[in-house]
Amino acid sequence: SSELTQDPAVSVALGQTVRITCQGDSLRSYYASWYQQKPGQAPLLVIYGKNNRPSGIPDRFSGSSSGNTASLTITGAQAEDEADYYCNSRDSSGNHYWVFGGGTKLTVL
Amino acid sequence: QVQLQQWGAGLLKPSETLSLTCAVYGGSFSGYYWSWIRQPPGKGLEWTGEINHSGSTKYNPSLKSRVTISVDTSKNQFSLKLSSVTAADTAVYYCARLSRSIFGVDDRFDPWGQGTLVSVSS
Repeated sequence: SSELTQDPAVSVALGQTVRITCQGDSLRSYYASWYQQKPGQAPLLVIYGKNNRPSGIPDRFSGSSSGNTASLTITGAQAEDEADYYCNSRDSSGNHYWVFGGGTKLTVL
Repeated sequence: QVQLQQWGAGLLKPSETLSLTCAVYGGSFSGYYWSWIRQPPGKGLEWTGEINHSGSTKYNPSLKSRVTISVDTSKNQFSLKLSSVTAADTAVYYCARLSRSIFGVDDRFDPWGQGTLVSVSS
């Protein structure tokens, strides 16, 4: 079982805002990073740290964190945002291992 | 622009050893950790382990007895070996660069290799 918990599936209407959440004890100490994965492709980093976007990631993607919950927000979702999204952080035991959430399938209606 | 290119055998029999290599092009090899992450068909991501340019390793506790990650700094390559594979090890295996920050404020896996599907079947 994963130490980071995500909702299995979320849907959003085209152009609307959606929040994907990730819960885990380690998130009280460390920021999450977020990855987008489309079918048949490698994961792609979209958000890391407090709220950092790698070059080339649209500014409709943003991140936030509060307590044991990290969130990825897509403001004005586009059809091309339909994908699986995974959160990642260090483990909660202090051993500096890495854990991923189970993933959230985002459907854009 | 850093790019990771990986290769290795894609079909194994139970009890054999999985062997994959990842080459790093276009960037510094030192100062980062180099990781392997796997994804069983239709499932989520699982961190396998990591190594730095000095050869210091960390492994997923669930795989620790079977996994070895090594580095060849002369070629900017790192490799994964997983022994005694079973069908449960069938997955797409990705290599990735890990940027690890001191206080965990900017940790991230980026970029990733293209992935290699490894199937274990008798």
